[in-house]
Amino acid sequence: AQTVTQSQPEMSVQEAETVTLSCTYDTSENNYYLFWYKQPPSRQMILVIRQEAYKQQNATENRFSVNFQKAAKSFSLKISDSQLGDTAMYFCAFMKPTGANSKLTFGKGITLSVRP
Amino acid sequence: DAGVTQSPTHLIKTRGQHVTLRCSPISGHKSVSWYQQVLGQGPQFIFQYYEKEERGRGNFPDRFSARQFPNYSSELNVNALLLGDSALYLCASSFGQEAYEQYFGPGTRLTVT
Repeated sequence: AQTVTQSQPEMSVQEAETVTLSCTYDTSENNYYLFWYKQPPSRQMILVIRQEAYKQQNATENRFSVNFQKAAKSFSLKISDSQLGDTAMYFCAFMKPTGANSKLTFGKGITLSVRP
Repeated sequence: DAGVTQSPTHLIKTRGQHVTLRCSPISGHKSVSWYQQVLGQGPQFIFQYYEKEERGRGNFPDRFSARQFPNYSSELNVNALLLGDSALYLCASSFGQEAYEQYFGPGTRLTVT
């Protein structure tokens, strides 16, 4: 079974600065997807960024980028130029292509607070 | 276009009762997944339905059941409610059976007293 670990329960960053959120996972699979989801107080889970394991290039989406280290099974999220609207819970998630379903396995999440 | 919608927003039930939660996927999406998110934890996979058939089931007791209708909307049913069933129930829709683009609804907050 796959597991996703987010060991930092909460972090705080000053507005406009950069912050990195950590995530490790455990799997014996070679092909899989990794995701970072954001859940603001409104509760709506929003996809931030996605990484395919077969791609060596790290994914980027505007101010969000990942550092994907496949051998180390590490998948960290870097948020540049932090904004007040980035305050939310962030979840790291794993998906194994099975040909049958789209089950996501989530970590426990990290609460990020952006200070003005 | 409307996103994923869920009803009701909040619900309070008593132990032993039954509850039905509803989800309408994004137009054109044929797959619906259900997740349970206990306070302070990440979501846990309960079910996935695609084209009205169950495609995946998480580690939940038989008190949990679901179904998908011809219009691709879905219901999650929980019987004999326990205090531990109190959680946020999230629905996610996607176009295909195995899709990495999943869109979540705002959830239903269930409180069991």
